[in-house]
Amino acid sequence: EGQLVQSGAEVKKPGESLRISCKGSGYKFTDYYISWVRQMPGKGLEWMGRIDPSDSRTAYSPSFQGHVTFSADKSISTVYLQWSSLKASDTAMYYCATVTTGYWGQGTLVTVSS
Amino acid sequence: EIVLTQSPGTLSLSPGERATLSCWASQSVSSTSLAWYQQKPGQAPRLLIYGASSRATGIPDRFTGSGSGTDFILTISRLEPEDFAVYYCQQYGRSPWTFGQGTMVEIK
Repeated sequence: EGQLVQSGAEVKKPGESLRISCKGSGYKFTDYYISWVRQMPGKGLEWMGRIDPSDSRTAYSPSFQGHVTFSADKSISTVYLQWSSLKASDTAMYYCATVTTGYWGQGTLVTVSS
Repeated sequence: EIVLTQSPGTLSLSPGERATLSCWASQSVSSTSLAWYQQKPGQAPRLLIYGASSRATGIPDRFTGSGSGTDFILTISRLEPEDFAVYYCQQYGRSPWTFGQGTMVEIK
């Protein structure tokens, strides 16, 4: 059974940078796109974009383009979500997920506060 | 961008009743590219249905997905206590992929 395991919760200040990770196991990591999904407190799911772990090609939602960066290291079956300058409005739970196989990470809570 | 609108926002039902959740798309969605998820408080979403009508591994057959084009439906034939949750549809046929805003199924 495949699974995705995400890095732990983070507390950051506005303007700081951050990279969170998502590691796949139990399936062929390069076979499926991995999406990143944001869920702000008490709100619904927002698709941020996806990365193809086989070649690191990315597709971003216009709402997130330019504010986040996806990357992948297929040698360690891991994808990353990165911010160069966090804002308080980035406070949310972030999930990584495949779609058709239904693998979801447990979520990484990012809190940005001065 | 394809906008998905879910209806109703909240569905109040009793255990044993039938639930019918709708997901309308602003443009036609490939039937192979529509998914439904269940999310309970404090948990990651769980895939229920992909390809509009295919149940994910381990999903009980009381969950049925149907529809095509712009109109999709998730039916829960008889609600069990563990089915009270928020449900989301997602289209993944045209970038940017998008989610509906969710339907909460609550105990009446």
